[in-house]
Amino acid sequence: TAGITQAPTSQILAAGRSMTLRCTQDMRHNAMYWYRQDLGLGLRLIHYSNTAGTTGKGEVPDGYSVSRANTDDFPLTLASAVPSQTSVYFCASSGGYNNEQFFGPGTRLTVL
Amino acid sequence: GQNIDQPTEMTATEGAIVQINCTYQTSGFNGLFWYQQHAGEAPTFLSYNVLDGLEEKGRFSSFLSRSKGYSYLLLKELQMKDSASYLCAVRDSNYQLIWGAGTKLIIKP
Repeated sequence: TAGITQAPTSQILAAGRSMTLRCTQDMRHNAMYWYRQDLGLGLRLIHYSNTAGTTGKGEVPDGYSVSRANTDDFPLTLASAVPSQTSVYFCASSGGYNNEQFFGPGTRLTVL
Repeated sequence: GQNIDQPTEMTATEGAIVQINCTYQTSGFNGLFWYQQHAGEAPTFLSYNVLDGLEEKGRFSSFLSRSKGYSYLLLKELQMKDSASYLCAVRDSNYQLIWGAGTKLIIKP
């Protein structure tokens, strides 16, 4: 199985443009998450979804939106990108014996 | 506020043992996780502790003391492929993971 896939792998985006980062899982996990990872900082939660049809705000939600129309997909949208959104973005889902999180390969986003 | 502390960087020798410490202050506690992250890759799950004591998994062990807000990850018989960042994360009362900044482990031959 693929687990979690993310697209694109990397992207350079002009400030002010919008973009959607895609995330798909095939593990039938209910909960999914979007994180950003910046050098010297821990993973920071942007938004999460405990089940299809519901979403919630994490630690750093401003400038980002999400939707969860079905179990498998959890896209993250930047409506109007700013340089401070330059980061590596990881999508994750949780399941397994300890309800641990499984991560996608990440999207490296540069906003100029 | 919630806080997870771990050393920024550690260096160890191939074949040796290294202990990576993690201290935490969180709103509630519902388990502590250790993840490994190689440069340019995604974090991968290593271990989980919810009760006090030691959990052993091959060359890796993880210890938890809830009363002290303390955990460590012990890596034995170090190999070059163990060079990576090790992330400590605590699941809080809202069942969200609070992450430390990670410890970069450098293995020297």
